[in-house]
Amino acid sequence: AQSVTQLGSHVSVSEGALVLLRCNYSSSVPPYLFWYVQYPNQGLQLLLKYTSAATLVKGINGFEAEFKKSETSFHLTKPSAHMSDAAEYFCAAQNSGGYQKVTFGTGTKLQVIP
Amino acid sequence: EAGVTQFPSHSVIEKGQTVTLRCDPISGHDNLYWYRRVMGKEIKFLLHFVKESKQDESGMPNNRFLAERTGGTYSTLKVQPAELEDSGVYFCASSQGAGGELFFGEGSRLTVL
Repeated sequence: AQSVTQLGSHVSVSEGALVLLRCNYSSSVPPYLFWYVQYPNQGLQLLLKYTSAATLVKGINGFEAEFKKSETSFHLTKPSAHMSDAAEYFCAAQNSGGYQKVTFGTGTKLQVIP
Repeated sequence: EAGVTQFPSHSVIEKGQTVTLRCDPISGHDNLYWYRRVMGKEIKFLLHFVKESKQDESGMPNNRFLAERTGGTYSTLKVQPAELEDSGVYFCASSQGAGGELFFGEGSRLTVL
């Protein structure tokens, strides 16, 4: 079964610093990969997704993620953190081919320090 | 266009009571999913409806949980009787196609005392 591991339940960065949130998946066959964000008192919102096209995926709000098959990773980055980026971020994976359920990681709370 | 709406946003009940959570998907979305997040853990899949039919209910924890989707529109998730370990946030999501983007509601937080 597919599993998703997010390293670090809490990450703190200074405003303007690089944001790096780590995600690894378990499948030997590259799945579809997603990053979702949850702002306080809101639902999950899709940031970006990888579906076997370009390995560098650009999302909303200046975020991007790079798919690395050799490392089974899909880390999320943003060059310069903004206060409004403070939220919880979830990495998720979905095996390709027909209907497949989405598997989520445990989430990473991002704190941005002024 | 309205997004996925869930009701109630927060419910506090005592162990042994019954709670019913409701989800209204985006209009026209045939696929409806229920997920649950127990505090600090991952968001776990519960089940998936295609219209009114259960496509996959492999994530339902036990027979105290009953999900329905009347007429292929809104869905309800009933927990009866509730136990302490049922506490968490229950998310509903909908999508147009089976592999389409999931649109999530804000979640229903359930606290069982």
